[in-house]
Amino acid sequence: EAQVTQNPRYLITVTGKKLTVTCSQNMNHEYMSWYRQDPGLGLRQIYYSMNVEVTDKGDVPEGYKVSRKEKRNFPLILESPSPNQTSLYFCASSLIGLSSYEQYFGPGTRLTVT
Amino acid sequence: AQSVTQLGSHVSVSEGALVLLRCNYSSSVPPYLFWYVQYPNQGLQLLLKYTSAATLVKGINGFEAEFKKSETSFHLTKPSAHMSDAAEYFCAVSSGNTPLVFGKGTRLSVIA
Repeated sequence: EAQVTQNPRYLITVTGKKLTVTCSQNMNHEYMSWYRQDPGLGLRQIYYSMNVEVTDKGDVPEGYKVSRKEKRNFPLILESPSPNQTSLYFCASSLIGLSSYEQYFGPGTRLTVT
Repeated sequence: AQSVTQLGSHVSVSEGALVLLRCNYSSSVPPYLFWYVQYPNQGLQLLLKYTSAATLVKGINGFEAEFKKSETSFHLTKPSAHMSDAAEYFCAVSSGNTPLVFGKGTRLSVIA
Protein backbone atom coordinates (compact mmCIF):
# COMPACT_ATOMS: atom_id res chain seq x y z
CA GLU A 1 0.00 0.00 0.00
CA ALA A 2 1.31 3.42 -1.00
CA GLN A 3 1.74 5.48 2.11
CA VAL A 4 3.66 7.98 4.18
CA THR A 5 4.42 6.84 7.70
CA GLN A 6 5.43 8.94 10.66
CA ASN A 7 6.71 7.92 14.07
CA PRO A 8 5.91 8.48 16.78
CA ARG A 9 2.26 9.49 16.44
CA TYR A 10 2.22 11.11 19.86
CA LEU A 11 5.13 12.50 21.86
CA ILE A 12 5.35 14.38 25.12
CA THR A 13 8.77 15.73 25.99
CA VAL A 14 10.49 18.38 28.05
CA THR A 15 12.19 21.57 27.00
CA GLY A 16 15.67 21.04 25.64
CA LYS A 17 15.56 17.29 25.15
CA LYS A 18 16.55 16.49 21.57
CA LEU A 19 14.04 14.50 19.57
CA THR A 20 13.59 13.11 16.08
CA VAL A 21 10.34 12.46 14.24
CA THR A 22 10.78 9.98 11.43
CA CYS A 23 9.05 10.09 8.07
CA SER A 24 9.17 7.42 5.41
CA GLN A 25 7.43 6.99 2.06
CA ASN A 26 7.25 3.94 -0.20
CA MET A 27 6.23 5.67 -3.43
CA ASN A 28 9.68 6.57 -4.71
CA HIS A 29 8.79 10.25 -4.48
CA GLU A 30 11.54 12.79 -5.00
CA TYR A 31 9.84 15.58 -3.07
CA MET A 32 9.24 15.46 0.68
CA SER A 33 8.13 18.14 3.09
CA TRP A 34 7.37 18.86 6.74
CA TYR A 35 4.48 21.03 7.93
CA ARG A 36 3.19 22.10 11.28
CA GLN A 37 -0.50 22.71 11.90
CA ASP A 38 -1.68 25.10 14.58
CA PRO A 39 -5.22 26.31 15.33
CA GLY A 40 -6.09 29.38 13.31
CA LEU A 41 -2.82 29.28 11.38
CA GLY A 42 -3.44 26.40 9.02
CA LEU A 43 -0.51 24.47 7.62
CA ARG A 44 2.89 26.07 7.56
CA GLN A 45 5.85 24.54 5.81
CA ILE A 46 8.98 23.92 7.87
CA TYR A 47 11.43 22.36 5.43
CA TYR A 48 11.24 20.58 2.12
CA SER A 49 13.51 18.44 -0.01
CA MET A 50 13.58 18.11 -3.75
CA ASN A 51 15.77 15.01 -3.70
CA VAL A 52 18.50 13.23 -1.76
CA GLU A 53 20.92 15.68 -0.13
CA VAL A 54 18.83 18.67 -1.29
CA THR A 55 16.86 20.51 1.38
CA ASP A 56 15.40 24.01 1.62
CA LYS A 57 13.78 26.14 4.28
CA GLY A 58 10.07 26.66 4.27
CA ASP A 59 8.16 29.40 6.04
CA VAL A 60 8.97 28.46 9.64
CA PRO A 61 12.35 26.66 9.80
CA GLU A 62 13.66 28.14 13.05
CA GLY A 63 14.36 25.51 15.68
CA TYR A 64 14.21 22.58 13.26
CA LYS A 65 16.67 20.54 11.24
CA VAL A 66 16.16 17.96 8.54
CA SER A 67 18.26 15.55 6.55
CA ARG A 68 17.69 13.57 3.37
CA LYS A 69 20.29 10.84 3.14
CA GLU A 70 17.94 8.37 1.50
CA LYS A 71 15.13 8.98 -0.93
CA ARG A 72 12.48 7.34 1.22
CA ASN A 73 13.31 8.98 4.57
CA PHE A 74 13.07 12.59 5.73
CA PRO A 75 13.47 12.91 9.50
CA LEU A 76 12.61 16.08 11.39
CA ILE A 77 15.01 16.95 14.20
CA LEU A 78 14.37 19.27 17.11
CA GLU A 79 17.76 19.85 18.73
CA SER A 80 16.41 21.78 21.71
CA PRO A 81 12.61 21.74 21.73
CA SER A 82 10.70 24.60 23.28
CA PRO A 83 7.03 24.90 24.30
CA ASN A 84 6.25 27.00 21.20
CA GLN A 85 7.02 23.92 19.12
CA THR A 86 4.04 22.13 20.61
CA SER A 87 2.02 21.38 17.49
CA LEU A 88 0.70 18.78 15.08
CA TYR A 89 3.31 17.83 12.50
CA PHE A 90 2.73 16.35 9.06
CA CYS A 91 5.13 14.86 6.61
CA ALA A 92 4.18 14.81 2.93
CA SER A 93 5.66 13.54 -0.31
CA SER A 94 5.03 13.85 -4.02
CA LEU A 95 6.55 13.24 -7.39
CA ILE A 96 8.84 16.02 -8.57
CA GLY A 97 7.16 18.87 -10.33
CA LEU A 98 5.57 20.29 -7.23
CA SER A 99 2.93 22.11 -9.11
CA SER A 100 0.78 19.49 -10.65
CA TYR A 101 1.28 16.48 -8.46
CA GLU A 102 -0.72 15.89 -5.36
CA GLN A 103 1.05 15.59 -2.07
CA TYR A 104 0.49 12.50 0.04
CA PHE A 105 0.36 13.17 3.75
CA GLY A 106 1.32 11.07 6.72
CA PRO A 107 -1.09 10.60 9.66
CA GLY A 108 0.53 13.29 11.77
CA THR A 109 2.62 13.48 14.93
CA ARG A 110 1.21 15.35 17.89
CA LEU A 111 4.08 16.85 19.87
CA THR A 112 3.78 18.42 23.30
CA VAL A 113 6.79 20.19 24.80
CA THR A 114 6.49 21.05 28.50
CA ALA B 1 4.47 35.36 -3.97
CA GLN B 2 1.46 33.16 -3.86
CA SER B 3 -1.24 33.24 -1.24
CA VAL B 4 -4.57 31.66 -0.48
CA THR B 5 -7.50 33.14 1.38
CA GLN B 6 -10.28 30.93 2.64
CA LEU B 7 -13.31 32.97 3.60
CA GLY B 8 -14.87 31.71 6.80
CA SER B 9 -12.94 29.64 9.30
CA HIS B 10 -16.13 27.78 10.17
CA VAL B 11 -19.12 26.97 7.99
CA SER B 12 -22.21 25.22 9.25
CA VAL B 13 -24.85 23.66 6.97
CA SER B 14 -27.86 21.43 7.42
CA GLU B 15 -27.77 17.88 6.15
CA GLY B 16 -28.95 17.89 2.53
CA ALA B 17 -28.14 21.56 2.00
CA LEU B 18 -25.64 23.00 -0.45
CA VAL B 19 -22.05 23.17 0.69
CA LEU B 20 -20.02 26.18 -0.51
CA LEU B 21 -16.48 26.73 0.75
CA ARG B 22 -14.75 29.76 -0.62
CA CYS B 23 -11.15 30.05 -1.77
CA ASN B 24 -9.41 32.97 -3.45
CA TYR B 25 -5.82 32.85 -4.54
CA SER B 26 -3.08 35.18 -5.58
CA SER B 27 -0.47 34.08 -8.08
CA SER B 28 1.68 35.90 -10.61
CA VAL B 29 1.74 32.91 -12.94
CA PRO B 30 -0.91 30.37 -13.91
CA PRO B 31 -1.66 28.42 -10.77
CA TYR B 32 -2.31 24.85 -9.88
CA LEU B 33 -5.05 24.63 -7.28
CA PHE B 34 -5.97 21.94 -4.82
CA TRP B 35 -8.57 21.15 -2.20
CA TYR B 36 -7.63 18.82 0.62
CA VAL B 37 -9.83 17.39 3.35
CA GLN B 38 -8.79 16.49 6.89
CA TYR B 39 -11.06 14.25 8.92
CA PRO B 40 -10.66 14.27 12.70
CA ASN B 41 -7.38 12.75 13.86
CA GLN B 42 -6.24 12.05 10.33
CA GLY B 43 -3.83 13.47 7.80
CA LEU B 44 -4.85 15.42 4.73
CA GLN B 45 -6.13 13.73 1.61
CA LEU B 46 -6.68 15.18 -1.82
CA LEU B 47 -10.26 16.01 -2.77
CA LEU B 48 -9.57 17.46 -6.20
CA LYS B 49 -7.07 19.48 -8.20
CA TYR B 50 -7.01 21.95 -11.06
CA THR B 51 -4.02 21.72 -13.38
CA SER B 52 -5.04 23.90 -16.34
CA ALA B 53 -7.33 21.41 -18.04
CA ALA B 54 -11.09 21.72 -17.53
CA THR B 55 -12.11 24.64 -15.34
CA LEU B 56 -14.79 22.58 -13.59
CA VAL B 57 -13.09 19.87 -11.61
CA LYS B 58 -14.86 16.93 -10.05
CA GLY B 59 -13.44 15.23 -7.01
CA ILE B 60 -14.23 12.48 -4.61
CA ASN B 61 -17.35 12.20 -2.46
CA GLY B 62 -19.45 14.36 -4.80
CA PHE B 63 -17.38 17.54 -4.42
CA GLU B 64 -16.48 19.80 -7.29
CA ALA B 65 -14.74 23.14 -7.76
CA GLU B 66 -14.66 25.69 -10.52
CA PHE B 67 -11.57 27.67 -11.48
CA LYS B 68 -12.50 31.26 -12.30
CA LYS B 69 -9.48 33.20 -13.46
CA SER B 70 -11.29 36.54 -13.64
CA GLU B 71 -12.32 36.21 -10.00
CA THR B 72 -9.11 34.42 -8.87
CA SER B 73 -11.35 31.92 -7.15
CA PHE B 74 -11.57 28.18 -6.73
CA HIS B 75 -14.64 27.60 -4.59
CA LEU B 76 -15.58 24.09 -3.46
CA THR B 77 -19.18 22.94 -3.70
CA LYS B 78 -21.33 19.91 -3.04
CA PRO B 79 -25.06 19.90 -3.85
CA SER B 80 -26.18 17.99 -0.77
CA ALA B 81 -24.26 17.81 2.50
CA HIS B 82 -23.90 14.55 4.34
CA MET B 83 -22.99 14.08 7.97
CA SER B 84 -19.78 12.36 6.90
CA ASP B 85 -18.64 15.59 5.17
CA ALA B 86 -17.91 17.20 8.53
CA ALA B 87 -14.18 17.89 8.42
CA GLU B 88 -11.63 20.62 7.86
CA TYR B 89 -11.01 21.69 4.29
CA PHE B 90 -7.87 23.31 2.96
CA CYS B 91 -7.36 25.13 -0.30
CA ALA B 92 -3.80 25.24 -1.66
CA VAL B 93 -2.02 26.90 -4.57
CA SER B 94 1.19 26.18 -6.39
CA SER B 95 2.79 27.54 -9.54
CA GLY B 96 5.99 26.90 -11.38
CA ASN B 97 8.23 24.94 -9.07
CA THR B 98 7.15 26.51 -5.82
CA PRO B 99 5.93 24.49 -2.88
CA LEU B 100 2.24 24.33 -2.07
CA VAL B 101 0.87 27.27 -0.09
CA PHE B 102 -2.12 26.37 2.04
CA GLY B 103 -4.99 28.48 3.25
CA LYS B 104 -5.83 28.53 6.94
CA GLY B 105 -8.62 26.02 6.52
CA THR B 106 -12.40 25.99 6.88
CA ARG B 107 -14.10 23.73 9.34
CA LEU B 108 -17.36 22.34 7.97
CA SER B 109 -20.07 21.29 10.41
CA VAL B 110 -23.14 19.41 9.21
CA ILE B 111 -26.27 19.65 11.31
CA ALA B 112 -28.82 16.86 11.31
